[in-house]
Amino acid sequence: AQKVTQAQTEISVVEKEDVTLDCVYETRDTTYYLFWYKQPPSGELVFLIRRNSFDEQNEISGRYSWNFQKSTSSFNFTITASQVVDSAVYFCALSSRGISNNLFFGTGTRLTVIP
Amino acid sequence: GAVVSQHPSRVICKSGTSVKIECRSLDFQATTMFWYRQFPKQSLMLMATSNEGSKATYEQGVEKDKFLINHASLTLSTLTVTSAHPEDSSFYICSARTSAGADQPQHFGDGTRLSIL
Repeated sequence: AQKVTQAQTEISVVEKEDVTLDCVYETRDTTYYLFWYKQPPSGELVFLIRRNSFDEQNEISGRYSWNFQKSTSSFNFTITASQVVDSAVYFCALSSRGISNNLFFGTGTRLTVIP
Repeated sequence: GAVVSQHPSRVICKSGTSVKIECRSLDFQATTMFWYRQFPKQSLMLMATSNEGSKATYEQGVEKDKFLINHASLTLSTLTVTSAHPEDSSFYICSARTSAGADQPQHFGDGTRLSIL
């Protein structure tokens, strides 16, 4: 069974602070893919990153960075020097090869960046 | 690239009305399209998966006669909420993927906020 847990329901930070959003996943598949999506107040989901299970290299894209650790089944997302425009709900998601290639979403973390 | 257009963005209608929502991939061919439902402050719940030219696969608990899905082409899928009632009010989001592979990201439309009076 696939499961994604985002234990942080809501986080508030002051602008320019760094913030880390946690994501823990469960899967029995050896090949799987992890994703982060951003959902701003307008509602659309924006794809941020995909990570393969066989590639544990961390990734940095501007102010965003991702830490993938298979040993702890975690795929955490850090925003450095947060900005008000980062305020959104962030979803971590998992998909794997098998009968279903569907995305399994976590419950999301609502990030509020206070100016 | 990978733009998905969803229309309409908002619908308000009376109970008993049928509502059609369109999902189009604008700059790529979508082998697979997905329909999700999202309640306020909750995660996305997958309703069904549709592949072009074949019947949709519905998730457990989703009424196929209530939520009709048609994936007529590689760029268009439609969701029709038949005889909608207030409990069908929700935010519906479609997504599209270029292939059936689990490694491919889904690209989402802007969503449709459905309100049934």
